[in-house]
Amino acid sequence: KQEVTQIPAALSVPEGENLVLNCSFTDSAIYNLQWFRQDPGKGLTSLLLIQSSQREQTSGRLNASLDKSSGRSTLYIAASQPGDSATYLCAVHYNQGGKLIFGQGTELSVKP
Amino acid sequence: DARVTQTPRHKVTEMGQEVTMRCQPILGHNTVFWYRQTMMQGLELLAYFRNRAPLDDSGMPKDRFSAEMPDATLATLKIQPSEPRDSAVYFCASGLVGQGTGYTFGSGTRLTVV
Repeated sequence: KQEVTQIPAALSVPEGENLVLNCSFTDSAIYNLQWFRQDPGKGLTSLLLIQSSQREQTSGRLNASLDKSSGRSTLYIAASQPGDSATYLCAVHYNQGGKLIFGQGTELSVKP
Repeated sequence: DARVTQTPRHKVTEMGQEVTMRCQPILGHNTVFWYRQTMMQGLELLAYFRNRAPLDDSGMPKDRFSAEMPDATLATLKIQPSEPRDSAVYFCASGLVGQGTGYTFGSGTRLTVV
């Protein structure tokens, strides 16, 4: 069964800290992996997309890595800010069947 | 920026009524997903289409839910009859598989069944 797991479920940090969000997935036959951000009551905003052939992607203070062999991806947020407070979702697009499966998300709170 | 458009944004209906949610995918995208989001279950995949053909609808309760793509610019999700447990936010997403791009989500339809 294709499953995606995110740890931790919730995280609270003081402003300025660097932090790492984790995503693990079963079945290494992935097409790509996408990280999203969701603010309360809002839709999903794409942050980073990593193809199966890539090891990492960067956008500003965000860096996402992918290790297919271990079934893991991490989202690194540098110098966190209160505006980074949101739920972060990892989604794996699998080759077989083409499903896009989401983890349960990590709810991040950055305190001023 | 190109966007996925979902209508209506909010819908309140009585139990037993038919509900239709619509999604306009980004022009040129060949894949459309429907998801349901609740606090308890998170994002659940209901159905998806590629080139308008349904690929998988195993996530939908078949007796009351149906999903279609009558043309490339419109995807619909219908619930008949609706039940209070269907209350959730329904999201549509579109993407172009094979081009190395990701998926874009609509703003969702918040459904409340009373």
